[in-house]
Amino acid sequence: QVQLKESGPGLVQPSQTLSLTCTVSGFSLTSNSVHWVRQPPGKGLEWMGGIWGDGSTDYNSALKSRLSISRDTSKSQVFLKMNSLQTDDTAIYFCTRDTEGFDYWGQGVMVTVSS
Amino acid sequence: DTVLTQSPALAVSPGERVTISCRASESVSTLMHWYQQKPGQQPKLLIYLASNLESGVPARFSGSGSGTDFTLTIDPVEADDTATYYCQQSWNDPTFGAGTKLELK
Repeated sequence: QVQLKESGPGLVQPSQTLSLTCTVSGFSLTSNSVHWVRQPPGKGLEWMGGIWGDGSTDYNSALKSRLSISRDTSKSQVFLKMNSLQTDDTAIYFCTRDTEGFDYWGQGVMVTVSS
Repeated sequence: DTVLTQSPALAVSPGERVTISCRASESVSTLMHWYQQKPGQQPKLLIYLASNLESGVPARFSGSGSGTDFTLTIDPVEADDTATYYCQQSWNDPTFGAGTKLELK
């Protein structure tokens, strides 16, 4: 069955770089796109960016200068790296598969930006 | 960016019919999707491409619309439907509405 699972540090210091991993199973990264969506506490959903089956990427224009998404198809993993973190980057970070709509989601990982 | 506007909150009684609206700042054709999110959970896809029911989602949920105006309907509403509902467009870089919080009286 299709599954996605996020992993990464729960606490990041301001100005540092966030690195998250999304490990997927039940589908191929070369045939599907995977995206990152985040949700600050008590707030709505924000699309961050995604990587397509052909390996190309798209980013939210508001985050593009700080964000990088890559993958390792042999390990069925998608990576997010975002630099220069600030306190308003505190959020739950989800990875999700995109077919027609985001049909499968990971459980999310809470990331707190604090010193 | 395409801005999606949703009403912030609704309160209905179980058994009633509720419609949740989403207006796009530009036409997105039928590239609109709806999600349900309960506290502490990830979003769940309910409706894709404006009117298609995702597998496993009860037929009480339906979607309609095209262009700039879209609607999610729940009929009849059940207590378990208490949640926040988000619309999301995929006409261009994905954006989400701010969410509509549905409460039951």
